[in-house]
Amino acid sequence: ELKVEQNPLFLSMQEGKNYTIYCNYSTTSDRLYWYRQDPGKSLESLFVLLSNGAVKQEGRLMASLDTKARLSTLHITAAVHDLSATYFCAVTKRFGAGTRLTVKP
Amino acid sequence: EPEVTQTPSHQVTQMGQEVILRCVPISNHLYFYWYRQILGQKVEFLVSFYNNEISEKSEIFDDQFSVERPDGSNFTLKIRSTKLEDSAMYFCASSSIRGRTEAFFGQGTRLTVV
Repeated sequence: ELKVEQNPLFLSMQEGKNYTIYCNYSTTSDRLYWYRQDPGKSLESLFVLLSNGAVKQEGRLMASLDTKARLSTLHITAAVHDLSATYFCAVTKRFGAGTRLTVKP
Repeated sequence: EPEVTQTPSHQVTQMGQEVILRCVPISNHLYFYWYRQILGQKVEFLVSFYNNEISEKSEIFDDQFSVERPDGSNFTLKIRSTKLEDSAMYFCASSSIRGRTEAFFGQGTRLTVV
């Protein structure tokens, strides 16, 4: 059974700092998705990673995929308060537990 | 901008009653999905639908659940006899190409079973 694990589950960071969220999965897959969810809201697609070595960047977020290590990372650069949300990775249709990010001034 | 729309936004139902959750996917999308999320926790896959049939379903999607595309636009999830543990936010999503592009999620239906 496919397992998708994210860590950390909770992340509190200061504005301006960098941090990385990790997503490990247990079976072979060549596609991985990152979503953002604000409290009480729906899921917003951030990145679709479709091959080994894929790297995508949007603003202060950068996502990468290593299919051999079964690992994806979501790197946050110089965090700002607006990035506070829960971030989910998903492999095929199975989601990780989410990382609740709080960015403090 | 095209979006997935879901109705109702909130549904309260008595345990044992049937509910139908409705979704209008993005018009040129071909793949449709239902997910649920209990109290802001993990997002759980229920079912995917393509070409008027179920393409995949999870272990959660048992006999009390069914999906239908009754016309060219609506996509529905029916829960035949609701249980307290069915209380959750139900999200519909659609995508144009299976797995190769992002899925667009609707705003969700909050189902409360009392």
